[in-house]
Amino acid sequence: DTEVTQTPKHLVMGMTNKKSLKCEQHMGHRAMYWYKQKAKKPPELMFVYSYEKLSINESVPSRFSPECPNSSLLNLHLHALQPEDSALYLCASSPRGRGGYTFGSGTRLTVV
Amino acid sequence: KNEVEQSPQNLTAQEGEFITINCSYSVGISALHWLQQHPGGGIVSLFMLSSGKKKHGRLIATINIQEKHSSLHITASHPRDSAVYICAVAGYGGSQGNLIFGKGTKLSVKP
Repeated sequence: DTEVTQTPKHLVMGMTNKKSLKCEQHMGHRAMYWYKQKAKKPPELMFVYSYEKLSINESVPSRFSPECPNSSLLNLHLHALQPEDSALYLCASSPRGRGGYTFGSGTRLTVV
Repeated sequence: KNEVEQSPQNLTAQEGEFITINCSYSVGISALHWLQQHPGGGIVSLFMLSSGKKKHGRLIATINIQEKHSSLHITASHPRDSAVYICAVAGYGGSQGNLIFGKGTKLSVKP
């Protein structure tokens, strides 16, 4: 298995909802990443997990809450989002320290 | 000045043409990645380079570490190659896994 699988592919949520994005890989990669991408912009790093521990939080608002329950799974919990949070959320993984990035196909999030 | 600069920003080509996209960077890197993103889609990793040249099908990527420059070439371009091509670099040590992205080159190949 050489893929990063993200679910759901599309999500529409209200500003009072709580939802979660899921990311899964079975390549044995020990670094996993969440990126946010707005239209026509490059991805922006949100969080990095290394060996299931949060190593980087790029000053992301607390309404985004990451979780890494095991080495294959990465979640992003969403609560009380704003319309400006609407974006493509990308997950990626890499063998820590040895490059070889693999990206998921993303979750297209719309906050209404 | 951005740490990763790509040129051109937009590129329109006729089917069959040879295409070159350039990437220059100003930081020390452990690797350079070329990525492809179709409209509304996720990102596909095309190449990871730390030296020399790599080829995959009609795609060729080169890197010159001394000049801090990389190129992505597409031979015999096809409309399905239409996408945004992104250059991204990975640093050293603790930042080795974190990518710095260029702004991308939007390629349109006309039939």
